[in-house]
Amino acid sequence: RKEVEQDPGPFNVPEGATVAFNCTYSNSASQSFFWYRQDCRKEPKLLMSVYSSGNEDGRFTAQLNRASQYISLLIRDSKLSDSATYLCVVNPAYSGAGSYQLTFGKGTKLSVIP
Amino acid sequence: NAGVTQTPKFRVLKTGQSMTLLCAQDMNHEYMYWYRQDPGMGLRLIHYSVGEGTTAKGEVPDGYNVSRLKKQNFLLGLESAAPSQTSVYFCASEEGFSSSYNEQFFGPGTRLTVL
Repeated sequence: RKEVEQDPGPFNVPEGATVAFNCTYSNSASQSFFWYRQDCRKEPKLLMSVYSSGNEDGRFTAQLNRASQYISLLIRDSKLSDSATYLCVVNPAYSGAGSYQLTFGKGTKLSVIP
Repeated sequence: NAGVTQTPKFRVLKTGQSMTLLCAQDMNHEYMYWYRQDPGMGLRLIHYSVGEGTTAKGEVPDGYNVSRLKKQNFLLGLESAAPSQTSVYFCASEEGFSSSYNEQFFGPGTRLTVL
């Protein structure tokens, strides 16, 4: 079983739509979770960390379900500028150990259409 | 701050040639990483360093060597390039230490083709 699995997409959605991405991870000891965004032919950049209680940043909401080993990202009111690949990232390290064991999913591609 | 920079941006090599990719960061970060990204694959860790003078193997270290002689620089070497090393190489840095929620900052990448 792959360590971090994502639906590769592509997800083609109209502007203004709400879209949700899901991700599952296999290591139940994983401690921290992230969504990174990668534009075409660019480097990945942190979009948001995912905390146990769930967290929101503007139009973006991230949820974590440890029991099901599942992470989600919800984008509301999609903009053209949201078009990118979204990488689910998991860190199995215990708190304080740094993040040198990050495991990246293959990414889910989103295209927001005018 | 320039953040994380990588040199070169593009390179074409012939099989058997050698080269060094340079990564530099000006954020005084302790940890640095080299990843490769191939179509249909997630980012895979090649080597990493948790401080000046230290290096360690990641998931896919074969065919690569690294050095971290200065805190701000992390070099990735290919001694004898093979077509299987055609990829996009990303360097990243991280503050390190205290938190498993540290952000990794990535360089713009080096696109390497081995013929």
